[in-house]
Amino acid sequence: IAGITQAPTSQILAAGRRMTLRCTQDMRHNAMYWYRQDLGLGLRLIHYSNTAGTTGKGEVPDGYSVSRANTDDFPLTLASAVPSQTSVYFCASRGDMPTNEQFFGPGTRLTVL
Amino acid sequence: GESVGLHLPTLSVQEGDNSIINCAYSNSASDYFIWYKQESGKGPQFIIDIRSNMDKRQGQRVTVLLNKTVKHLSLQIAATQPGDSAVYFCAVDNYGQNFVFGPGTRLSVLP
Repeated sequence: IAGITQAPTSQILAAGRRMTLRCTQDMRHNAMYWYRQDLGLGLRLIHYSNTAGTTGKGEVPDGYSVSRANTDDFPLTLASAVPSQTSVYFCASRGDMPTNEQFFGPGTRLTVL
Repeated sequence: GESVGLHLPTLSVQEGDNSIINCAYSNSASDYFIWYKQESGKGPQFIIDIRSNMDKRQGQRVTVLLNKTVKHLSLQIAATQPGDSAVYFCAVDNYGQNFVFGPGTRLSVLP
């Protein structure tokens, strides 16, 4: 089934631990994104990648890193989790012209204690 | 950079009535806009989009209106149904790099 998958669905993590959220798309989209969604704040961009091999910082990048070794995968890593990183994380990919539509994964709910 | 806001965080409508959800943006150069629907526990889902060379675009029961003069975007849902209950976000293209999202409007459909 075409689309974006994320793993895990949810995770409870102790502060200070390292965690990688996985994201895979099978639509061969060049652009991919990681957002966090917090109540009252909407979706905020963490990092993005316009194409395999390149990444960029979004609005709230601190404490997160990403890599884009290939077109399909875009993992997000929390090197040392803190409670303020408790959030719902969405991965997205963007279609090429003419649609430019952005597709979202189902999300990962992360709780840092 | 771009900033996006919504006029109402919540909206309640009677089943069968029309719904109007609004969004304001700051960058007059923005040229692509999307409305998303997000149901509880799910990721945002594309509803309809519009480019800046258009003022209006219609889909199935939904219409998006774009007023570039006042930098305002609206989503109209005709004959609102219980299944329309969700949070609705507008997203504005930020120089082709990414989208900036509004904070969302929670639509509740009353029986």
